[in-house]
Amino acid sequence: DADVTQTPRNRITKTGKRIMLECSQTKGHDRMYWYRQDPGLGLRLIYYSFDVKDINKGEISDGYSVSRQAQAKFSLSLESAIPNQTALYFCATSDQGRNLETQYFGPGTRLLVL
Amino acid sequence: DQQVKQNSPSLSVQEGRISILNCDYTNSMFDYFLWYKKYPAEGPTFLISISSIKDKNEDGRFTVFLNKSAKHLSLHIVPSQPGDSAVYFCAASERAGSYQLTFGKGTKLSVIP
Repeated sequence: DADVTQTPRNRITKTGKRIMLECSQTKGHDRMYWYRQDPGLGLRLIYYSFDVKDINKGEISDGYSVSRQAQAKFSLSLESAIPNQTALYFCATSDQGRNLETQYFGPGTRLLVL
Repeated sequence: DQQVKQNSPSLSVQEGRISILNCDYTNSMFDYFLWYKKYPAEGPTFLISISSIKDKNEDGRFTVFLNKSAKHLSLHIVPSQPGDSAVYFCAASERAGSYQLTFGKGTKLSVIP
């Protein structure tokens, strides 16, 4: 079974709709992250969480919100989706221990906003 | 302002030869560097990393070289195999900071049999 899972894997929605992308992990890691990837661009950090009570904005948080429901779950919401939020979204985790920088990624959610 | 740059969007190499992927950075506070590999329809997977106190780190066929004065690192794959065909991302982190990763745009490597 995958250590980091994302649901849904693909989603098509319309402008103005609220949608939620979910991430679950079985790695027991404290830290979780949401990134987006656009064609020809690297991954950009949206939000990150060091534990359930610690949520931080990343480079491109505008238009997004997150919820850390439990150590293993981190959800990303688009309150009112717009077409330029069409992208590939990745969740990632990292360990509080020695190798903080080594992040483990989920398979991604491909989102299309019409 | 792109702090991590991978200036080659793509690279083609013959099977068995060496693949060299390059990465430049501008932020002198970066002190830890990683390479990730990404296959289509999958998330990136960690490949190899290097701390700024080293200039080389080797793991099997993969070696990362760091030139701090030039703010440049490279990933060498020897020998290249068709299964190495993927997009490779360079990433950097400030260990004294929040351990966030800053990614380059990626280089698509094609290893030709």
